[in-house]
Amino acid sequence: EAGVTQFPSHSVIEKGQTVTLRCDPISGHDNLYWYRRVMGKEIKFLLHFVKESKQDESGMPNNRFLAERTGGTYSTLKVQPAELEDSGVYFCASSQGRADYGYTFGSGTRLTVV
Amino acid sequence: KQEVTQIPAALSVPEGENLVLNCSFTDSAIYNLQWFRQDPGKGLTSLLLIQSSQREQTSGRLNASLDKSSGRSTLYIAASQPGDSATYLCAVDGGYQKVTFGTGTKLQVIP
Repeated sequence: EAGVTQFPSHSVIEKGQTVTLRCDPISGHDNLYWYRRVMGKEIKFLLHFVKESKQDESGMPNNRFLAERTGGTYSTLKVQPAELEDSGVYFCASSQGRADYGYTFGSGTRLTVV
Repeated sequence: KQEVTQIPAALSVPEGENLVLNCSFTDSAIYNLQWFRQDPGKGLTSLLLIQSSQREQTSGRLNASLDKSSGRSTLYIAASQPGDSATYLCAVDGGYQKVTFGTGTKLQVIP
């Protein structure tokens, strides 16, 4: 089966611009998560979708970040306007049910804001 | 709030050595614990998943143990190889599907 797919793999944008990251979870996985790793720090949770609904978005840093999952399939994470501190690696993961089989992560999107 | 700590932060060993990576967590009410490796420029690769009811899992040269009562997990790597060089992360699932990651251990295996 195809894994979790994220694109782009790398994005370099200027401060103030907008970037949209996309995640395609494993087919049939209702649960989709976004995480990010800022340089030198641990990976932190951003939000969790169950199908198209936001189950938990307590990790979203501020209102410059907007996540959507239309139709309960792929998800997008938009950063608008991007700031320097948004630079890092953004990971997406999906799980089946209550993650009895753990999480499958995508390869991440490396975002660099200059 | 769950806190996950990994010690050491970095480790360098000669090829062939057996080694142990440590992961400790503050809240023992966990659903499962998962070990990942991250290679530079790449995503997270799942290594082992231990359910809260289990004490260990094995895959090839890897063995992960879990002691919930003490809030600890270890990842044992036998006969290390240069290809094992990567950053190893443990991730604790608190049961609400919000995973807390440790800061990772950067492993370098020297040929």
